[in-house]
Amino acid sequence: GQQVMQIPQYQHVQEGEDFTTYCNSSTTLSNIQWYKQRPGGHPVFLIQLVKSGEVKKQKRLTFQFGEAKKNSSLHITATQTTDVGTYFCVVASNSGYALNFGKGTSLLVTP
Amino acid sequence: DVKVTQSSRYLVKRTGEKVFLECVQDMDHENMFWYRQDPGLGLRLIYFSYDVKMKEKGDIPEGYSVSREKKERFSLILESASTNQTSMYLCASSSWRRGYNEQFFGPGTRLTVL
Repeated sequence: GQQVMQIPQYQHVQEGEDFTTYCNSSTTLSNIQWYKQRPGGHPVFLIQLVKSGEVKKQKRLTFQFGEAKKNSSLHITATQTTDVGTYFCVVASNSGYALNFGKGTSLLVTP
Repeated sequence: DVKVTQSSRYLVKRTGEKVFLECVQDMDHENMFWYRQDPGLGLRLIYFSYDVKMKEKGDIPEGYSVSREKKERFSLILESASTNQTSMYLCASSSWRRGYNEQFFGPGTRLTVL
């Protein structure tokens, strides 16, 4: 199925700094989802992007889908300690039912 | 509120034992999934089911089987547990009713095989 590479694998920032994680595919994606997993928790859906060039915002989080629908990014403005966790980009598998998760970017925010 | 529950939060079993992991969702979702999560490897799909009694292999089905006799329940079975099956197991469910298949996850079962 469709696979994605996610970078960086880890990111450590000071509270208040910005953070960006990138997701790249070698093939055109039909859509892309983003999930967040807090330490000790389970993945929680954040958003789905479908349209070429789409930009969506959720408070301090900005999600973008590339014009060619081969890449996506998640940007967090002015990180807070509550942003700590692993962020996964997720794409549909060949079956269309299941999802393929990227390996995630683990974000650590120190006060 | 949407809810996916898993039978155990922590489980310790011995090599060779048969292990059952249960997952129940109360959202009337047609799709259910089992993943395992290991450090550095992300989430890997073991099996999924898109309807009662239907099952499809995921990326790593070896050593596992599943059962879906009722819509709300999806069981993962380790026929003969081995130490390399020590992992966090996550169940999820989804539905296409809202136009996209957002997955809702259970809290996970941390399985240790000794």
